[in-house]
Amino acid sequence: DTAVSQTPKYLVTQMGNDKSIKCEQNLGHDTMYWYKQDSKKFLKIMFSYNNKELIINETVPNRFSPKSPDKAHLNLHINSLELGDSAVYFCASGGGVNQPQHFGDGTRLSIL
Amino acid sequence: DQQVKQNSPSLSVQEGRISILNCDYTNSMFDYFLWYKKYPAEGPTFLISISSIKDKNEDGRFTVFLNKSAKHLSLHIVPSQPGDSAVYFCAASTDSWGKLQFGAGTQVVVTP
Repeated sequence: DTAVSQTPKYLVTQMGNDKSIKCEQNLGHDTMYWYKQDSKKFLKIMFSYNNKELIINETVPNRFSPKSPDKAHLNLHINSLELGDSAVYFCASGGGVNQPQHFGDGTRLSIL
Repeated sequence: DQQVKQNSPSLSVQEGRISILNCDYTNSMFDYFLWYKKYPAEGPTFLISISSIKDKNEDGRFTVFLNKSAKHLSLHIVPSQPGDSAVYFCAASTDSWGKLQFGAGTQVVVTP
């Protein structure tokens, strides 16, 4: 039973396109996150939602828009993709204060 | 500004010996620290955590030590096994929403 699942695992697309990545968790957690791992392998937080409400919004271009239809889902939509958006995007969910976050397997986004 | 630093990009250790991974941080407000293990093409997997009120936490072969005055934590794996070969990330959090700041990771290779 996959706890945090993301689709697709790989996404190859042209510059300028719009794409979405979906994330679902079955852990019953209230909080979900999106992280970006860039070419230097640093993992950096982008967004977080708690019970469908945006609580963390780091300095991310407004071409990136998260959407949480319910607390088990957090999707990431990216408009007008640029070369610099190529990265691995990880979804995570967390159980609360001082509780670990659990990660999905990532979506590798490649912009041609 | 990297607030969590793992200065050793790689570590090679013989099977059966102890692996010691180090992590330094600059933000004295961090109050929760975690270690994650990551295999290629998978998401980070939670290993062990420690809150700032403790200086040691143990779980099986894994022990995390926290030295708040030195702003340093370490992960000990003993005995090391071939399946421990992976990238290990140190992470820290300051707030109840769980925004994690990650180090750059240390690649561990356990040799027979």
